[in-house]
Amino acid sequence: DGGITQSPKYLFRKEGQNVTLSCEQNLNHDAMYWYRQDPGQGLRLIYYSQIVNDFQKGDIAEGYSVSREKKESFPLTVTSAQKNPTAFYLCASTPQGERNTIYFGEGSWLTVV
Amino acid sequence: AQSVTQPDIHITVSEGASLELRCNYSYGATPYLFWYVQSPGQGLQLLLKYFSGDTLVQGIKGFEAEFKRSQSSFNLRKPSVHWSDAAEYFCAVGVSGGGNKLTFGTGTQLKVEL
Repeated sequence: DGGITQSPKYLFRKEGQNVTLSCEQNLNHDAMYWYRQDPGQGLRLIYYSQIVNDFQKGDIAEGYSVSREKKESFPLTVTSAQKNPTAFYLCASTPQGERNTIYFGEGSWLTVV
Repeated sequence: AQSVTQPDIHITVSEGASLELRCNYSYGATPYLFWYVQSPGQGLQLLLKYFSGDTLVQGIKGFEAEFKRSQSSFNLRKPSVHWSDAAEYFCAVGVSGGGNKLTFGTGTQLKVEL
């Protein structure tokens, strides 16, 4: 089945450790995104990528890094520089020609203790 | 920059009653407008979208929304709510030339009483 797959669903890490969240899509979508969701704050854009080997910072990129080496993959690394990393992370993508229409994965819960 | 306001944090309705969730946007030109729904611990599902044309938009699961330029609003409606509609609803705005990015509201949590 086609879709956006995020893994792992739940992740626990100790403070000071980097962690990488996986996002894979087999929909042949061009653009991919990472959003962070906190209670009462809606969704905030971390990074986005329109094409392979290119990506841009969103509104809250500090403490995060991404790569886009393949069209279907857009992993997010939460570094130790991120002050408050515990959150729900959502990966999303947009097909070419479907203006601004974003389709989401199922999300990953990251808890840093 | 564009922004979205969802004035109601929580709404409770009885099953079978009608529903209206409010969304107001701020943007100088005609925006692209979206409604998404999220069940607990899940991703967001697209309900409907407006780009241009007919201001009344039909979506999935019996939802509709109306774009009112004069009020800068895009309210979501459903004539008869089902218990399974209990979820969090997000309004979002995108703009032409905005790189396919969306700005989201803070969400409205819908509770359905049986």
